[in-house]
Amino acid sequence: DAGVIQSPRHEVTEMGQEVTLRCKPISGHNSLFWYRQTMMRGLELLIYFNNNVPIDDSGMPEDRFSAKMPNASFSTLKIQPSEPRDSAVYFCASSLISGETQYFGPGTRLLVL
Amino acid sequence: GESVGLHLPTLSVQEGDNSIINCAYSNSASDYFIWYKQESGKGPQFIIDIRSNMDKRQGQRVTVLLNKTVKHLSLQIAATQPGDSAVYFCAENHQAGTALIFGKGTTLSVSS
Repeated sequence: DAGVIQSPRHEVTEMGQEVTLRCKPISGHNSLFWYRQTMMRGLELLIYFNNNVPIDDSGMPEDRFSAKMPNASFSTLKIQPSEPRDSAVYFCASSLISGETQYFGPGTRLLVL
Repeated sequence: GESVGLHLPTLSVQEGDNSIINCAYSNSASDYFIWYKQESGKGPQFIIDIRSNMDKRQGQRVTVLLNKTVKHLSLQIAATQPGDSAVYFCAENHQAGTALIFGKGTTLSVSS
């Protein structure tokens, strides 16, 4: 299995621009998670989906952040407009069911100038 | 100047020593626990898991111990190697259908 795939691996953008992060979960997994990791706050859960349905988005910082999962094999996390404080590593993870072992992707390193 | 950010507990060991990384969890209803390893520049990787009906589980060079009485989880690494240097996270699940809850992490530094 290819594991969780994320793209892009690195993104540098200017404040105010729209950023779209992409994730392909492991085939057959029914739960997908988006995390943000920074030195200041550690690993934070932003949102997770079960069977393509958002279950808990209480970790999404504000309305500038949105996530979608149009089908079982693809999810996006969008930031519009981006701000320097959004700079972080964003991880996507998937699991067979929520609450079980999550498998993480390699992450997207985002730098907003 | 003083650094800001998370101050993760750090464990420094010599190559060949055994390492013990500890984790306290808060919810007595948690019934599933996982240890993850995160190397620099990579995502967290699954190491080993344990369910609440067990006290101990062994893998290759790693052992997880669960003490439900004091809500404590530990990861033991035998014959620690430089490649074990990483941040280690414990995670717990206390309700079916919900997401794992991750701890803050411990940095393991192995010197040769």
